[in-house]
Amino acid sequence: GAGVSQSPRYKVAKRGQDVALRCDPISGHVSLFWYQQALGQGPEFLTYFQNEAQLDKSGLPSDRFFAERPEGSVSTLKIQRTQQEDSAVYLCASSLGGQGRLLRNIQYFGAGTRLSVL
Amino acid sequence: ELKVEQNPLFLSMQEGKNYTIYCNYSTTSDRLYWYRQDPGKSLESLFVLLSNGAVKQEGRLMASLDTKARLSTLHITAAVHDLSATYFCAVSTGNQFYFGTGTSLTVIP
Repeated sequence: GAGVSQSPRYKVAKRGQDVALRCDPISGHVSLFWYQQALGQGPEFLTYFQNEAQLDKSGLPSDRFFAERPEGSVSTLKIQRTQQEDSAVYLCASSLGGQGRLLRNIQYFGAGTRLSVL
Repeated sequence: ELKVEQNPLFLSMQEGKNYTIYCNYSTTSDRLYWYRQDPGKSLESLFVLLSNGAVKQEGRLMASLDTKARLSTLHITAAVHDLSATYFCAVSTGNQFYFGTGTSLTVIP
């Protein structure tokens, strides 16, 4: 596609409910990132994929958060038993990836999914 | 953990004026990025800076990098209303990106 697409754009969940957020990266982009952006803050790194391999999940705040990218393209971020503190905008970004040229590392962001946990 | 600090956090300026946003980071990084975010929209890449002394310009925005001071600046020249947005700097080490808290810029006619 032309850009990174995320769905849904808005999600309201009751506390304790499980949610799944989807990210469609730019076609051909090897690297995929998930970020959490709280109101008035900068994005905070959650996890990183290179193709289907999850190479870094150090930013996931708890074991209730799980991300996958089984075929190396679309990715899903799942949050189990949502809590109010999970309310934030979840951003997905993709990049060409790999070493070498500087431009391969530029991350292109989706518009995000705004999650509100009541 | 790498820390990234921006100042000011909020900036209100008149059209036609100049101003500078500062981005400090705590440890050596590979690259420094500047992004723009409009309300409810995704982050848009503005600049990527790699080496000490790098300077890049696009329109009324100019970014520079001093790796020894661990400082990047985003200079705005003769601001116009269309520049109103939140500006983030980010530094990368390996595959991790660390973002500043952002500078919310409002340009007043």
